[in-house]
Amino acid sequence: EIVMTQSPATLSVSPGERATLSCRASQSVSNYLAWYQQRPGQPPRLLIYGASTRATGIPARFSGSGSGTHFTLTISSLQSEDFAVYYCQQYNNWPLYTFGQGTKLEIK
Amino acid sequence: EMQLVESGGNLVQPGGSLRLSCAASGFSFSNYWMSWVRQVPGKGLEWVAIIKQDGSEKYYVGSVKGRFTLSRDNAKNSLDLQMNSLRAEDTAVYYCARSFSSGWYGHYYFDHWGQGTLVTVSS
Repeated sequence: EIVMTQSPATLSVSPGERATLSCRASQSVSNYLAWYQQRPGQPPRLLIYGASTRATGIPARFSGSGSGTHFTLTISSLQSEDFAVYYCQQYNNWPLYTFGQGTKLEIK
Repeated sequence: EMQLVESGGNLVQPGGSLRLSCAASGFSFSNYWMSWVRQVPGKGLEWVAIIKQDGSEKYYVGSVKGRFTLSRDNAKNSLDLQMNSLRAEDTAVYYCARSFSSGWYGHYYFDHWGQGTLVTVSS
């Protein structure tokens, strides 16, 4: 099983500032990495797939980078609706897909 | 508009059974792999199972193998998860999710999710 580790567990950032979230895989997942956003009481929403491709309708302030074992999600200028929990997911290890434990992005 | 609507969640005793359903609309259901992903309230996400477009391939996470059975009815645009021998650790919100690939077999991410249905296993 590939273990996905996200850091930090909680990130406090002010609106308008940049947020950088990290995700590490216990072994290479190539670029088969997705990011999801989950707001309270809502299902997860796909943000990024293929490590760096934004899903349909996702604002350009969200960007993903990385390959292999180290990945980053960057939100360039935080809006109020961006404060949520973010999960990374590897989909390289068929068929056992695994998620990170999540990073909670909170208002500073 | 694309929709996935789960149903069937309930309170059940340990060792009991439950059948979850997911009704799909707004897209060509028979063209997609489909999955269930669960989330213990307040905790992270866990992929549970995935089924091929025609139902000929099904895969499960180890902790549910032999207890859960995934099926689909493309004529009715529905996905079912039969859950037997339920345990306390199966307590979670269960999400139905469309599984999408950019073209490569075995590489599916979840591009659309339902609202989820809560399963509580407790005596």
